Amino acid sequence: DAGVIQSPRHEVTEMGQEVTLRCKPISGHDYLFWYRQTMMRGLELLIYFNNNVPIDDSGMPEDRFSAKMPNASFSTLKIQPSEPRDSAVYFCASSSLAGGPYNEQFFGPGTRLTVL
Amino acid sequence: GNSVTQMEGPVTLSEEAFLTINCTYTATGYPSLFWYVQYPGEGLQLLLKATKADDKGSNKGFEATYRKETTSFHLEKGSVQVSDSAVYFCALIDTNAGKSTFGDGTTLTVKP
Repeated sequence: DAGVIQSPRHEVTEMGQEVTLRCKPISGHDYLFWYRQTMMRGLELLIYFNNNVPIDDSGMPEDRFSAKMPNASFSTLKIQPSEPRDSAVYFCASSSLAGGPYNEQFFGPGTRLTVL
Repeated sequence: GNSVTQMEGPVTLSEEAFLTINCTYTATGYPSLFWYVQYPGEGLQLLLKATKADDKGSNKGFEATYRKETTSFHLEKGSVQVSDSAVYFCALIDTNAGKSTFGDGTTLTVKP
């Protein structure tokens, strides 16, 4: 398996622009997570989906952030409008409950977002 | 709610030194416990796991034992290498839930 795939790997944009981050989870996984990592705040869970349905979006910082999962193999995280404080590395991860309680998460390589 | 508390870093060791990174947790149920490692410029990857009390997870010379009585899951390695330099995250998950709770991460630097 190719693992979790994220695109783009790097994104540089200007304040006020719309940013869309993309994620393809591991085939067969039924959970998908979006995280944000910064030096100041560490690793933060933004939102997660189960079977394409958002379960908990309490970590989404503001209405400027939105996430969708239109099918089992694709998810997007959108920031509109972007601000410099959104600069961070955004990770997507997936997992599966099938096979037992282990539920380890598989992380993608991340998207490094810089908002100027 | 659930929480994970990790030993604060950064930790700097010489090659071949003994490593311990402390991790304690609070959980409402009977969680599974994990250590993840993040190398520079990469995502987190699973290092080891344990699913019930007294289980010992091990991988690449690292070990951690699930201690229910002390609600701990300390990471140890007998002899660290420069290549072990990374950020280490302790995490838990309730066995019937989907999401994990992560600690703040501990940065390890190993000097030759």
